[in-house]
Amino acid sequence: KAGVTQTPRYLIKTRGQQVTLSCSPISGHRSVSWYQQTPGQGLQFLFEYFSETQRNKGNFPGRFSGRQFSNSRSEMNVSTLELGDSALYLCASSLGINTGELFFGEGSRLTVL
Amino acid sequence: DQQVKQNSPSLSVQEGRISILNCDYTNSMFDYFLWYKKYPAEGPTFLISISSIKDKNEDGRFTVFLNKSAKHLSLHIVPSQPGDSAVYFCAASAQGGSEKLVFGKGTKLTVNP
Repeated sequence: KAGVTQTPRYLIKTRGQQVTLSCSPISGHRSVSWYQQTPGQGLQFLFEYFSETQRNKGNFPGRFSGRQFSNSRSEMNVSTLELGDSALYLCASSLGINTGELFFGEGSRLTVL
Repeated sequence: DQQVKQNSPSLSVQEGRISILNCDYTNSMFDYFLWYKKYPAEGPTFLISISSIKDKNEDGRFTVFLNKSAKHLSLHIVPSQPGDSAVYFCAASAQGGSEKLVFGKGTKLTVNP
């Protein structure tokens, strides 16, 4: 059974640019969540999508957005990048039955220069 | 405001001994608690969980204890093995119909042979 796949794994952007990250969940999983991991703040919840609907959102500015497609694949977008957006962005999928048992991908490492 | 706290950034134990990782929380609405393990360059993986209606859950070498009155939980690993060396994250969720988890900042466990 294939795991959660995130692309790209690494990327470098400059301030003011925008970036799109992609996540393919485990087959059959309808929930996709996104987390930002930084050394200072740890893992912070960005948002969760379930059956193409945003079910919950964390405390991040509107520059952070996401969506989910009918095949459960998800993308997140960050516009007008800031230096502080440099982080590991982790995608996690689950059945969406609120057990908290998430299956994480390896992450997309974003560096903003 | 950090709702889930892991006050020990690191812990070092000898192989075969017990590892005890601690976690405190402040939000009384949390009703489900989980531990995740993370190896370098990999996403976190689910380890064990406990519902707020229980005070103990065991899975092989791993046991999680919950003290609701103290808002404290701990993960015991017995016996510890070198392969257990990783960063351990405590996480909590509140009922609300989503998979949102609030994570602690992690404790790096090193098990010495």
